Amino acid sequence: GENVEQHPSTLSVQEGDSAVIKCTYSDSASNYFPWYKQELGKRPQLIIDIRSNVGEKKDQRIAVTLNKTAKHFSLHITETQPEDSAVYFCAASLSRANNLFFGTGTRLTVIP
Amino acid sequence: EPEVTQTPSHQVTQMGQEVILRCVPISNHLYFYWYRQILGQKVEFLVSFYNNEISEKSEIFDDQFSVERPDGSNFTLKIRSTKLEDSAMYFCASSEAVGSGEKLFFGSGTQLSVL
Repeated sequence: GENVEQHPSTLSVQEGDSAVIKCTYSDSASNYFPWYKQELGKRPQLIIDIRSNVGEKKDQRIAVTLNKTAKHFSLHITETQPEDSAVYFCAASLSRANNLFFGTGTRLTVIP
Repeated sequence: EPEVTQTPSHQVTQMGQEVILRCVPISNHLYFYWYRQILGQKVEFLVSFYNNEISEKSEIFDDQFSVERPDGSNFTLKIRSTKLEDSAMYFCASSEAVGSGEKLFFGSGTQLSVL
C-alpha cells in the first residue's frame, strides 16, 4: 500500500518567515495530495490540495508543489502568523477511492 | 457551513466492553469514512462506506469492528470487545463523491479511552 513520509516533525519559525514542509509517497498511482491543518483538540481541516496533473497551486499565503517524477510534494507558507501554529498533515490517495494515507504530521510553531 | 458531527466527544470504557461511536455526515454526502489517530501518531484509515456497504477497509478493521448506517442520517462505528490498543481519537469523515480529488470533511472526533 501507499506509504507517506513527512519531514520535519517539528518546525519553529519567526513570525513573518516562511515555512516549508515536505512529504514523499511510494505509490506512483497516487494522484491526489491534500494538506490538512489540525489545531489542538480540533478536527483536521483541509487547507489546500493538488492533483497530479498540476505542478503547483497557490492560495494566498499557502502554496503546494508536486514533483511526480520524484514522488514528493511540499507545503509552503509565507509570511507566517502565530495563528498558523498547528500540526500539518500531508496525505495521498489513489484515484479509485478517497482513502487517504497520511504523513506523520509536522508541528509548526510560529514565534511572535 | 455544514459540518460532520460526532458524539460523544469522549468515551471511557472498560476493556472487553462494546462501544458505539456515532457520526452525522454532511447531509448531501454519499461516502462515509472512519479514521483513527493514536496519540502522537498519524491518522490511519479504517473503513469507507457507500450505498449501505463497506467499500474499502484496512488491516486495522478486523472482525471486532463494524459499521452501520441505521437511518438516513447516522453512521456508526461499533467495537465489539474493546482492547487497550483501541484507545485513540476516532474521526468520522464524509465526501460528496469518490475519486481523485473529492474532498473529505472530518468531524471533530471521539476520544476513546479503554481502561
